[in-house]
Amino acid sequence: ETGVTQSPTHLIKTRGQQVTLRCSSQSGHNTVSWYQQALGQGPQFIFQYYREEENGRGNFPPRFSGLQFPNYSSELNVNALELDDSALYLCASSLEGRDTEAFFGQGTRLTVV
Amino acid sequence: AQTVTQSQPEMSVQEAETVTLSCTYDTSESDYYLFWYKQPPSRQMILVIRQEAYKQQNATENRFSVNFQKAAKSFSLKISDSQLGDAAMYFCACHSGGGADGLTFGKGTHLIIQP
Repeated sequence: ETGVTQSPTHLIKTRGQQVTLRCSSQSGHNTVSWYQQALGQGPQFIFQYYREEENGRGNFPPRFSGLQFPNYSSELNVNALELDDSALYLCASSLEGRDTEAFFGQGTRLTVV
Repeated sequence: AQTVTQSQPEMSVQEAETVTLSCTYDTSESDYYLFWYKQPPSRQMILVIRQEAYKQQNATENRFSVNFQKAAKSFSLKISDSQLGDAAMYFCACHSGGGADGLTFGKGTHLIIQP
């Protein structure tokens, strides 16, 4: 167990809808990153939050947004869902300044129909 | 920008034998880290081993070891005495030491353990 939990584990949404995925990090981990893993691919970096501010972003459009809260929880929000957004979404948390020691959650499987 | 390439979509090994998974990478950073992650059907990414680029000595964790060839930008994983529980997807990843750009992953190698 990594101490990082994600909810829900599975989710089905309709194209055009909005979705919120949640992640609960280990206590004290003030850095959280989100990844999208399409079927048969490696994870791709979406963005990173540090102390409740976005401080790094991958090649994802603005309809992917996030929030990080003082209680070490975070959210990934995706607006205007597209079929290609169907994927496993992983969050990873780490201690301040040590994002090379990240602990992953079990992921949320999002299916867009 | 970084790229990570895993050229073996699938590998198979007999239980108790040794297997090597290949990975090549490219980065313009001088300070970076390399990783091997294991992803079983439970989907959770589990860190297998980590290598700091500035360290010449190859990292070892029990039955897992790496062959880090910095000039060739190669980072292979050797699993000795393979066990049924080693069956999983294995991902090679790179991270620039000072950045907030996250991990760059390869496409993965599916490791099958034959009993």
